[in-house]
Amino acid sequence: SQQGEEDPQALSIQEGENATMNCSYKTSINNLQWYRQNSGRGLVHLILIRSNEREKHSGRLRVTLDTSKKSSSLLITASRAADTASYFCATATYTGANSKLTFGKGITLSVRP
Amino acid sequence: KAGVTQTPRYLIKTRGQQVTLSCSPISGHRSVSWYQQTPGQGLQFLFEYFSETQRNKGNFPGRFSGRQFSNSRSEMNVSTLELGDSALYLCASSLVAGEKNIQYFGAGTRLSVL
Repeated sequence: SQQGEEDPQALSIQEGENATMNCSYKTSINNLQWYRQNSGRGLVHLILIRSNEREKHSGRLRVTLDTSKKSSSLLITASRAADTASYFCATATYTGANSKLTFGKGITLSVRP
Repeated sequence: KAGVTQTPRYLIKTRGQQVTLSCSPISGHRSVSWYQQTPGQGLQFLFEYFSETQRNKGNFPGRFSGRQFSNSRSEMNVSTLELGDSALYLCASSLVAGEKNIQYFGAGTRLSVL
C-alpha cells in the first residue's frame, strides 16, 4: 500500500518558474526522501529530511516537513527543461534492524522551454 | 565507482515461463532492494536483502523470490509469469540499512509478458 501520496499528479510550468510538489503520508516516519526519475530510468536520490528537521536546502531544492500535518513539500526554484521528470516522495520507517522505504506514485513535472 | 547494474535491460517472455533478473550493487553496499514499477500501482516494494538474508518482504505472491550472494549481487526470480507481471523491475542498493537508508537505483529491467 502507498504511504506517501503526492500532489498534484502532474505539473506543467514554464522554464524559470518555481515548481512546488506536495507529499502527504499516514503513519509516523523516521525520515522522508525525494527522488527523481527520468523517463524509463532508475530513480535518483535528491534530498533527505529527518523527522526532527523542518526545512532543508540543496542547491535549487528546498524541502519542508510538517510532522504534525504529516506532509512535506519539495520546491524547485528557477526550473530548467532538464528538470522534466517524475518526482517521488519516499517515507522511511525503522523498527529494530528493519528499515522500510515506501514510495508514493509520483508527480510528473514538465518544464516548457 | 560503478553504479548499480541490472541485467538484462529488456526481456520478453510468455505467460507461464519463468524469468531471472540480476543486480550488481555499488561496491561496498550490502543492502539490495527490489521494486516493481507499473503505471497503475507505482513503485511497489518486493524485498530487501542484507548480507545474504532477506530482511523485508512486500505483499507479492510466492512466485516472486530472490536471493543474495556473498558478493552482495542479487537475483530475483518470477515463476509462472502472468500478463500482470509486465513492469519495470528496479534494483536499489544502499550502504547500510537504518537511518541513512538512501537508495541508489539501477536503470531497471523492463519485462514484457505476452
